[in-house]
Amino acid sequence: AQTVTQSQPEMSVQEAETVTLSCTYDTSESDYYLFWYKQPPSRQMILVIRQEAYKQQNATENRFSVNFQKAAKSFSLKISDSQLGDAAMYFCAWGAQKLVFGQGTRLTINP
Amino acid sequence: DGGITQSPKYLFRKEGQNVTLSCEQNLNHDAMYWYRQDPGQGLRLIYYSHIVNDFQKGDIAEGYSVSREKKESFPLTVTSAQKNPTAFYLCASSQGVPYNSPLHFGNGTRLTVT
Repeated sequence: AQTVTQSQPEMSVQEAETVTLSCTYDTSESDYYLFWYKQPPSRQMILVIRQEAYKQQNATENRFSVNFQKAAKSFSLKISDSQLGDAAMYFCAWGAQKLVFGQGTRLTINP
Repeated sequence: DGGITQSPKYLFRKEGQNVTLSCEQNLNHDAMYWYRQDPGQGLRLIYYSHIVNDFQKGDIAEGYSVSREKKESFPLTVTSAQKNPTAFYLCASSQGVPYNSPLHFGNGTRLTVT
């Protein structure tokens, strides 16, 4: 069975600085997608970024980028120039026929 | 605007009663999903459906039932057999399987059973 592990229950960063959230996964499949979702206090799930496993190039969306290491089964999220609105729970997810989520990392932004 | 509507936002039931959570989407998506979220935990998959009149159990299906009679609707029934039903429930949909299509989520239903 596929598993997704986020080893950092909580992280904090100063506003305008950079923070990296970790994620590892376990799968025997070769074709899949990886996602980072954000869940602010409103509890609405928002897609932050996604990565196709067959692509070596790391995905980037504005201030958000990933470091995808397929052999190591690692998929970390880097947030640059952190903003107060980035404060949320962040979930890493693995997807093929279904989406499997990690336990989440609560990110706090200090002004 | 297209989206996913979950109702109600808050739901209260007495122990031993069945309760049905509504999920409707107007995105014309084929696939729909139900997830459960408990404090300090990630989302766990209850049931999913890739086409009308077909659905599969997820990782924690015991005590739950679903139907998919229409493309736009995927109601979830929490039965009295579910031992710990109090949780936050999220419905989602996607154009195809998550393999190549990200999930769109509703705003969730908070169920409290006493």
